[in-house]
Amino acid sequence: QQPVQSPQAVILREGEDAVINCSSSKALYSVHWYRQKHGEAPIFLMILLKGGEQKGHDKISASFNEKKQQSSLYLTASQLSYSGTYFCGTSWDAGNMLTFGGGTRLMVKP
Amino acid sequence: DSGVTQTPKHLITATGQRVTLRCSPRSGDLSVYWYQQSLDQGLQFLIQYYNGEERAKGNILERFSAQQFPDLHSELNLSSLELGDSALYFCASSVGAAGGPLTDTQYFGPGTRLTVL
Repeated sequence: QQPVQSPQAVILREGEDAVINCSSSKALYSVHWYRQKHGEAPIFLMILLKGGEQKGHDKISASFNEKKQQSSLYLTASQLSYSGTYFCGTSWDAGNMLTFGGGTRLMVKP
Repeated sequence: DSGVTQTPKHLITATGQRVTLRCSPRSGDLSVYWYQQSLDQGLQFLIQYYNGEERAKGNILERFSAQQFPDLHSELNLSSLELGDSALYFCASSVGAAGGPLTDTQYFGPGTRLTVL
């Protein structure tokens, strides 16, 4: 079952913040976040494991809420380079297989 | 550059034909994954190989098959092509069992864009 991402699209001005959510109907083991520019390969951002941990680097961070079966990606002080489609990939067991959400299109304008 | 290579970059063919997409994983990675991404859609997992053995299967059509060779490169074969098979096909690789499945990061190649006319 595919995780559900929200919002589907968001437009920001440079310097504004955004939150992208990834919700699952099943208990999550791990959540993987990727960013993809149009026509290019998805680029790995971070992995979160069950346990409610939060991770981050630079101005991009994420949290994992095991109880809510949800992960959120936080983009602060957005830059033009943050534009792209963000995908969450979830695993529900110990296997490697990821199921990706439908993506969230983020556009950052000057 | 993720270190994963895919050839060809573009492929244009006709309905009913058969094509082969090739992927070389990052040095040291034992797992290879294939994904299909149709226009403006998400990533659909097709199949995973680990060290030459099939490990997981997703929504892969019977007309599609894959294999991983002893040198760890992988090929995805698509046959009896239909218009709806037009898509970006990505290969990803990961270390495999060594890192543990939950933390196994998948690194994506640049993709092969397949157009079926």
